[in-house]
Amino acid sequence: KNEVEQSPQNLTAQEGEFITINCSYSVGISALHWLQQHPGGGIVSLFMLSSGKKKHGRLIATINIQEKHSSLHITASHPRDSAVYICAVRTPKVAGNQFYFGTGTSLTVIP
Amino acid sequence: DAGVIQSPRHEVTEMGQEVTLRCKPISGHDYLFWYRQTMMRGLELLIYFNNNVPIDDSGMPEDRFSAKMPNASFSTLKIQPSEPRDSAVYFCASSLDRGLRGTDTQYFGPGTRLTVL
Repeated sequence: KNEVEQSPQNLTAQEGEFITINCSYSVGISALHWLQQHPGGGIVSLFMLSSGKKKHGRLIATINIQEKHSSLHITASHPRDSAVYICAVRTPKVAGNQFYFGTGTSLTVIP
Repeated sequence: DAGVIQSPRHEVTEMGQEVTLRCKPISGHDYLFWYRQTMMRGLELLIYFNNNVPIDDSGMPEDRFSAKMPNASFSTLKIQPSEPRDSAVYFCASSLDRGLRGTDTQYFGPGTRLTVL
């Protein structure tokens, strides 16, 4: 069983639609990251969350620590949002951190 | 700032050869991470450093892999000897220590695409 599960694995949306990507995890965490990987391969860190909600432009990320669940929302989606979105969690260890990654959600936004 | 710089961007080598990947983190960042991404396994953390000191290398797959950070502006990931299954994209990332012990926003380099024939 993977420590981090994302859904859906693939998502196709029409431009302008509201999009939600989900991330569930099974370990105790100190922080959760949402990453965006563009078709060219570059990775951008979108959010780092430990509680509550963060917003940046059309992107909103929420986390519910009790339910071990996070969501990434994209409002008014645009073709340039097409990318793979990866959820990653950090769990504390006695020495250092342990990071677990979801397998990613591939989003395609059609004009 | 130029962001995280990685070199080379592409590397093709033959099995058994030594491969060295290089990373220059963003100036002033305290944490440096090495990741590997493959289709089969997705993104994996190999090792990370804090103030040039390796903190956790439990993700390093085998003794063939080694990483160093001789100073705050340079790190290397070495594979010796390389094998075809090492073919992957290797990313370096850095972050600023704001007291969050390495959980802060990470800035990724463009990656090095390694192909081992």
